[in-house]
Amino acid sequence: GAGVSQSPSNKVTEKGKDVELRCDPISGHTALYWYRQSLGQGLEFLIYFQGNSAPDKSGLPSDRFSAERTGGSVSTLTIQRTQQEDSAVYLCASSLVLTERGYTFGSGTRLTVV
Amino acid sequence: DQQVKQNSPSLSVQEGRISILNCDYTNSMFDYFLWYKKYPAEGPTFLISISSIKDKNEDGRFTVFLNKSAKHLSLHIVPSQPGDSAVYFCAASARGSRLTFGEGTQLTVNP
Repeated sequence: GAGVSQSPSNKVTEKGKDVELRCDPISGHTALYWYRQSLGQGLEFLIYFQGNSAPDKSGLPSDRFSAERTGGSVSTLTIQRTQQEDSAVYLCASSLVLTERGYTFGSGTRLTVV
Repeated sequence: DQQVKQNSPSLSVQEGRISILNCDYTNSMFDYFLWYKKYPAEGPTFLISISSIKDKNEDGRFTVFLNKSAKHLSLHIVPSQPGDSAVYFCAASARGSRLTFGEGTQLTVNP
């Protein structure tokens, strides 16, 4: 597609439930990134994919968080047993290489854990 | 370890005046710097960038200045317009590595 697409745009879930967030990057972009923005905070790096492999997953906050990417395209971020502190906007971005224009971001998924 | 810091969470200016947003970094390996702009309910969008071999880059009303010795960069918007009201993020990269972002500064331009 023309841009990075994320779904759902909003998700409200009960504490303890699992959630899946989806990202469709720009076609042909080999690099894919997940960031999150908690209320009043900056953009916190979560994980980076190059193709289907994740050479840098250092930002995942706990083992409740996992992500995968298939076919060098769609990525899914899964949060198990959600906690209230997981509430944030989860942003996905993609790029071909790190160009002078950086990444192209999606509009994000706003996750609210109640 | 916050390697990129934006110490001002908010800035308010009058339309037509200059907006100056500041960013400090600690990692001397950073060699590429970018500014992103974010409107509510949208993802950040690229605004302007600068390589460490330069000290200034200009694009229309937007100019980014880099002071490597002070590990400081700034974004100047002149003249400021109400449509510039958004959150501005500073970001940095070291030799093509992933971007590290600051906390963001909410700019409000009053008509």
